[in-house]
Amino acid sequence: AQSVTQLDSQVPVFEEAPVELRCNYSSSVSVYLFWYVQYPNQGLQLLLKYLSGSTLVKGINGFEAEFNKSQTSFHLRKPSVHISDTAEYFCAVSPSGGSYIPTFGRGTSLIVHP
Amino acid sequence: ETGVTQTPRHLVMGMTNKKSLKCEQHLGHNAMYWYKQSAKKPLELMFVYSLEERVENNSVPSRFSPECPNSSHLFLHLHTLQPEDSALYLCASSQVRGGNSPLHFGNGTRLTVT
Repeated sequence: AQSVTQLDSQVPVFEEAPVELRCNYSSSVSVYLFWYVQYPNQGLQLLLKYLSGSTLVKGINGFEAEFNKSQTSFHLRKPSVHISDTAEYFCAVSPSGGSYIPTFGRGTSLIVHP
Repeated sequence: ETGVTQTPRHLVMGMTNKKSLKCEQHLGHNAMYWYKQSAKKPLELMFVYSLEERVENNSVPSRFSPECPNSSHLFLHLHTLQPEDSALYLCASSQVRGGNSPLHFGNGTRLTVT
């Protein structure tokens, strides 16, 4: 079985500052990795995904994430955040090569201050 | 209309009521899911349907009854709920069940049980 740990429940940051949201996973097999964002009063939407290939993945809204197999991490980064990035961010992992449903982390609340 | 649509957006019901949540996807996907999202808890997978067949049921109480009449529609029938069932109920769909197929979520139904 796999598990996902999002190390920070809340990350406050000022507008235009860089941000990193941390995600670590454990799995005995290769994995697919996802980041989702949930804006207030909405469902989750996909930010980016790692399936294979380049370990640096670019997503929507200027976000990117880097897959680090040795550290079993998939941290999400943005060089300069906006007020509109205030939302809940979820990391998810599923074993590759099958029809497994992804396991979600508990989420990190990103709060961008003016 | 595109994406995943959930109705109603808000629902208040007494413990003796019977109600249904509806989900419709316009993406041509073959798998559909019900998730429960409670405050300060991880996202909980409730049910999974693949090609209209229920393939997963994560020990959900029988007061929740899913129905998938076709690959575009998913219902969650509710009866004799408890106050702890108050939560945001999210419907999602994907091209195929799990694996590298990302989930597309609706905006959820906010359920309050009084």
